[in-house]
Amino acid sequence: NAGVTQTPKFQVLKTGQSMTLQCAQDMNHEYMSWYRQDPGMGLRLIHYSVGAGITDQGEVPNGYNVSRSTTEDFPLRLLSAAPSQTSVYFCASSYSMTGYDEKLFFGSGTQLSVL
Amino acid sequence: AQSVTQPDIHITVSEGASLELRCNYSYGATPYLFWYVQSPGQGLQLLLKYFSGDTLVQGIKGFEAEFKRSQSSFNLRKPSVHWSDAAEYFCAVGAGDMRFGAGTRLTVKP
Repeated sequence: NAGVTQTPKFQVLKTGQSMTLQCAQDMNHEYMSWYRQDPGMGLRLIHYSVGAGITDQGEVPNGYNVSRSTTEDFPLRLLSAAPSQTSVYFCASSYSMTGYDEKLFFGSGTQLSVL
Repeated sequence: AQSVTQPDIHITVSEGASLELRCNYSYGATPYLFWYVQSPGQGLQLLLKYFSGDTLVQGIKGFEAEFKRSQSSFNLRKPSVHWSDAAEYFCAVGAGDMRFGAGTRLTVKP
């Protein structure tokens, strides 16, 4: 059981480049989300999805796009990378977000540097 | 909007000593509250959670937390810390759009 898989683990971009961070889960979880982690700021929610075809913005959505065409996949797109987007990105999923089954499973993270 | 404050950025305790990590939250309704732990270079792992009922919740690795509505707090405790507990600890609140605190880094002295 792979859990939540993120790729790539490391990425270096130049300012203005675009890229997609991949996230896949094999637990049939309805809920998926993306966080960025910066020193002293904890994890900040970028976007989340409560099911295929449904996405919503979190605390820091600007500069990022998401889509959810399948239950398994939730890619995060950086449209035009900026140095302020240098961070560690975590994808997470949960069976439920409104009850006893609420528990986030995290991927191992993607370390992104924008030069 | 919901939010979480962890007042302590860094805490150092001796191995075998007791531990308490503080967490204060802001939430409009009865909160769903969580504690997660992150070891270096790893993702986060759930320690425990509170939804309703008993205000003292037990988690993995010998941790517990107490929900105090009057103080808007959900402090994490452990009676005797082990060297392997050194990590960063995050308190979180919410359902759907979960919000995390800035984290408390725990150092354990031999």
